[in-house]
Amino acid sequence: QSVLTQPPSVSGAPGQRVTISCTGSSSNIGAGFDVHWYQQSPGKAPKVLIYGNSNRPSGVPERFSGSKSGTSASLAITGLQAQDEAEYYCHSYDSSLGASVFGGGTKLPVL
Amino acid sequence: QVTLRESGPALVKPTQTLTLTCTFSGFSLSRTDTGVTWVRQPPGKALEWLAHIFSNDEKSYNPSLKSRLTISKDTSNSQVVLSMTSMDPVDTATYYCARTVTGDFDYWGQGTLVTVSS
Repeated sequence: QSVLTQPPSVSGAPGQRVTISCTGSSSNIGAGFDVHWYQQSPGKAPKVLIYGNSNRPSGVPERFSGSKSGTSASLAITGLQAQDEAEYYCHSYDSSLGASVFGGGTKLPVL
Repeated sequence: QVTLRESGPALVKPTQTLTLTCTFSGFSLSRTDTGVTWVRQPPGKALEWLAHIFSNDEKSYNPSLKSRLTISKDTSNSQVVLSMTSMDPVDTATYYCARTVTGDFDYWGQGTLVTVSS
């Protein structure tokens, strides 16, 4: 059971917009700790997509955006492409645990 | 160019101690607010954070694994070492090291698969 809750999967067709939610609590996201998002393709290491809630590292397309409100955060992907098919993880810090925590991951097949 | 590479045994026996080394380049662990973290991922499962070490030698551990983990750094050789005692088959996973500067894990190693089996 992950401290941060994500839907196990979301799906979309090429060109569509999808959102992936990450629900936490008052000891992590709700406490103001940053949320980061990673993309992991099969057999590969995770790659940071969004850091500090809504910032994109250089090289990450503008199609990817992040937001945070209350005890939740979201990753939005617009103009879905076949190469976006991957697993996505949210990550934050939990003050009750004194630890970094990940969500359980969301699988995104592009139909 | 920032790179990290994990190294260690691919196979350990139950009850043994696992020692993994992260060798990095392109940054220094003597720089303020820079850290290295370890994350693992059992086959087909989610990422699990294990431990951090920062430039000031501050360390933190996953509370559920804290009694089994030790993290240390060798700044002059650009290495971070993670030890995990009392290995069990449930510890079979790909182990990653990554850099952290702004809270996220911005550069990752390729990972090393560790299998625990007799």
